[in-house]
Amino acid sequence: QVQLVESGGGVVQPGRSRRLSCVASGFTFSNHGMHWVRQAPGKGLEWVAVITYDGRNKAYADSVKGRFTVSRDNSKSTLYLEMNNLTPEDTATYYCARVQVPYAAMVHFDYWGQGTLVTVSS
Amino acid sequence: EIVMTQSPVTLSVSPGERATLSCRASQSVSTNLAWYQQKPGQAPRLLIHGAATRAADIPVRFTGSGSETEFTLTISSLQSEDFAVYYCHQYNNWPETFGQGTKVEVK
Repeated sequence: QVQLVESGGGVVQPGRSRRLSCVASGFTFSNHGMHWVRQAPGKGLEWVAVITYDGRNKAYADSVKGRFTVSRDNSKSTLYLEMNNLTPEDTATYYCARVQVPYAAMVHFDYWGQGTLVTVSS
Repeated sequence: EIVMTQSPVTLSVSPGERATLSCRASQSVSTNLAWYQQKPGQAPRLLIHGAATRAADIPVRFTGSGSETEFTLTISSLQSEDFAVYYCHQYNNWPETFGQGTKVEVK
């Protein structure tokens, strides 16, 4: 069965960096685009970033552009989110999500991980 | 960026009644619109994609409709497990965007 497991969350000081990982299993990871979506405590969902199945195309929300970098290692079935210059406004649970249709770009998400909480605080 | 606006913010409904949730896009997203359900402490769950196609294992009481800028999610007869927050999501353009959510609560 499809599984997405995020890790890397925790408490980080403002201005510091953090790398999140999402390990995928139960499907051919290299065939699917992947997204990061975050949710601040008690708030709604905010789309963060996307990377196509082959890693060639990426896009970011304006709120993280220039600070966050999405990448993937298809040989390890792992998605990453490198977060730099973190601020308290980045405090959220970060979810990875799979694009349902193989090789497609703009498609809905069919599987989500359980999320990893990042708290930015001094 | 396409802004997705959901209404109402909170919907109070009695079990067995119909619930109608709305989602409006600031510009056309064709039918590239999904609905997700989220319960406390859980990840979102896909309900509807392509504006009107139910995802696998989603009960028939969930119906999506609409196109371009106006979309609706209807739950025909609310069950206890349907009380949750619902989000619309446009994937027609990058950056992709979500609505702010509608909380369906027990009346």
